[in-house]
Amino acid sequence: GAVVSQHPSRVICKSGTSVKIECRSLDFQATTMFWYRQFPKQSLMLMATSNEGSKATYEQGVEKDKFLINHASLTLSTLTVTSAHPEDSSFYICSASSRMVYEQYFGPGTRLTVT
Amino acid sequence: TQLLEQSPQFLSIQEGENLTVYCNSSSVFSSLQWYRQEPGEGPVLLVTVVTGGEVKKLKRLTFQFGDARKDSSLHITAAQPGDTGLYLCAGAGGDMRFGAGTRLTVKP
Repeated sequence: GAVVSQHPSRVICKSGTSVKIECRSLDFQATTMFWYRQFPKQSLMLMATSNEGSKATYEQGVEKDKFLINHASLTLSTLTVTSAHPEDSSFYICSASSRMVYEQYFGPGTRLTVT
Repeated sequence: TQLLEQSPQFLSIQEGENLTVYCNSSSVFSSLQWYRQEPGEGPVLLVTVVTGGEVKKLKRLTFQFGDARKDSSLHITAAQPGDTGLYLCAGAGGDMRFGAGTRLTVKP
C-alpha cells in the first residue's frame, strides 16, 4: 500500500510557541491531504482538507488562523499549530489520497504535548 | 455530511470467538473503507468495498457491503489477541467521513 510519513512523531512545546508537523506521501502524488485530530479513546475528527496548490478547507469550529495548513507540493503538507495552548495537546494524524489512489492512507501520527 | 454509525462501540471477547461489527448510514456511498488503528499509530487500511452486495475476505476477516451501499459489516472468525484495536469505517461519496469506531479487545 501507499506510504505516508509524519514528522515529528512526538513533540513537546511550551505554551505560546508554534509547532510545525510535516506529512509526506513517499511513493505517490497526493492531490489531497487531510488533517485529523484524535483525543484519547475517540475516533478521528477531521480538521481540514487541502488540495495541492490551493487553500485548505477547514471544518466548522476549526480556527484557520490557529491551525495553518500548507500543501505546496504533491508530496508534502504541513500543519502549524500557532500559539499553542495545553488544550491543543492531542494526537494529530494526516492522510493522503489521489485520483489514482482514492483511499486515504494515513501517517503514523504526531503526539503533541503543550506544557 | 454523511453520518456513519458503528456498533457496538466497545467489544471485549475471548480468543477464539467470532464477532461482527456494523457500519450503518442513511446515505449511499460510492465506496466504503475499513481501517484498523492500534494505540499511538495511524489507521491502516484493511479493505475497500465498492459494489453493492460485495463480499471481500482478508484471512479471518470478512467484509460485506450492503446491497444498497448504505451499510457494511465486518466479521472476524476465531478472533486472536492481535486483532485488538479500533476498527473504523469510512464512507466515500462527496466528503469522506469516519464512524466513531468499534474498540475491540480480544483476551487470550
